[in-house]
This record gives sequence, C-alpha cells and structure tokens, in this order.
Amino acid sequence: GESVGLHLPTLSVQEGDNSIINCAYSNSASDYFIWYKQESGKGPQFIIDIRSNMDKRQGQRVTVLLNKTVKHLSLQIAATQPGDSAVYFCAEIQGGADGLTFGKGTHLIIQP
Amino acid sequence: SAVISQKPSRDICQRGTSLTIQCQVDSQVTMMFWYRQQPGQSLTLIATANQGSEATYESGFVIDKFPISRPNLTFSTLTVSNMSPEDSSIYLCSVGRRDTGELFFGEGSRLTVL
Repeated sequence: GESVGLHLPTLSVQEGDNSIINCAYSNSASDYFIWYKQESGKGPQFIIDIRSNMDKRQGQRVTVLLNKTVKHLSLQIAATQPGDSAVYFCAEIQGGADGLTFGKGTHLIIQP
Repeated sequence: SAVISQKPSRDICQRGTSLTIQCQVDSQVTMMFWYRQQPGQSLTLIATANQGSEATYESGFVIDKFPISRPNLTFSTLTVSNMSPEDSSIYLCSVGRRDTGELFFGEGSRLTVL
C-alpha cells in the first residue's frame, strides 16, 4: 500500500478562513516532504517543502508543520481565496530514493 | 523554476498501438522522472530517466511496456506500448534536483485508449 496518506478526501472551508490539510506517513526513513497543489487539467504545482531536520516552515500564506514523533505532516493555508480551490497532495522522498511517493490527495473547496 | 513542455498534451489512441510522449526542459537538470496519474487518483512514479543509461523502473512497471529514453540533460521520452484502456491516464514528466529541493512537473499528457 501507499506509505503516505491523507485523512480527508474533501475539505470545505469558507473564503477568508484558514484551512488545514493533514497527511500521515509511515516511513521513518523519509527525510524530505513536499506539498503540491493540482488544479483541474494541470500538473502539480510545488507549494512548499520541509526537511526532516525541521518542524516548521513558512511561506507566503502557507505553513507546513512536521511532527516526526507521530509521522504527521500538515499544510496550513491562511485566509483562503477562491484560487486556493484545488487538490492538494503531500509527497515524500524515502531515504536513498530520488522519486516521490504521493499521498491520495485532499480536494479543498472554498465556499463563498 | 524550470519550464517543462510535454507533447502531446492529450491524445486518443486505439488499443494495441503505442504512443511516445516527449518532455523538454528549458535548462539542464540532474533528475527526470515519469509519473502516471490514473483518473481521480494520486500520482505514481513509473521510472527515473537516467541520462546515458537505462531508466530505473519502480515495482510494477517494466521497460517493455514503458520504454524511456534520455539522450541529454534537457530531454526525455516515455513510450506507452501496446496500449489498452487500462493505460488511459495522465502521464507527467517531473524534473529537479533533490539537493536543492526543487522538483517540478509538466502539465501532463492525457491519454485515452479506446
């Protein structure tokens, strides 16, 4: 089975609210994690990444949190906008590998 | 970020035929990968395209079905051979350098096999 998974297939939030998308991984050897956003008909777009020696990393309106104790990754999006509607995937690189292992994806829906 | 161009962007193919997808990058990149995304699903790594040597395939994918070429550091092709309807998917090229954390995707090639 997949080593990276997501808790919710769909997340609906009100425009302007903050959203949190969660991801669990099972391989403790994974040392690099990335969040991608995929809009309909497009390829995944790199959002933010984090290495296993970090707990938190912030970007513009996005924050990624890594909890290695429970093997949990989250993406926080502040003040969501209609353009944030997409499917969000977490991905990991397992130690020694180069390609990514993707989670199932969460469809973020922004309600007006 | 690298600009990645894939051709074709979409195609409708007949069962039993083969199709080659091209991936062109606007700069030299160390790593190139091919992924498959079946309808409504996540992405699955097919193989790592190695420049000047045979591709490295993931479990469940074989060279006879998905031959890959990478003649230089900016170009790769993926062929989907002897296609069946189960091969209907989006095929995505990805490039990057793991050490810098830059891993980017093309827009994908959507194949429908009848």
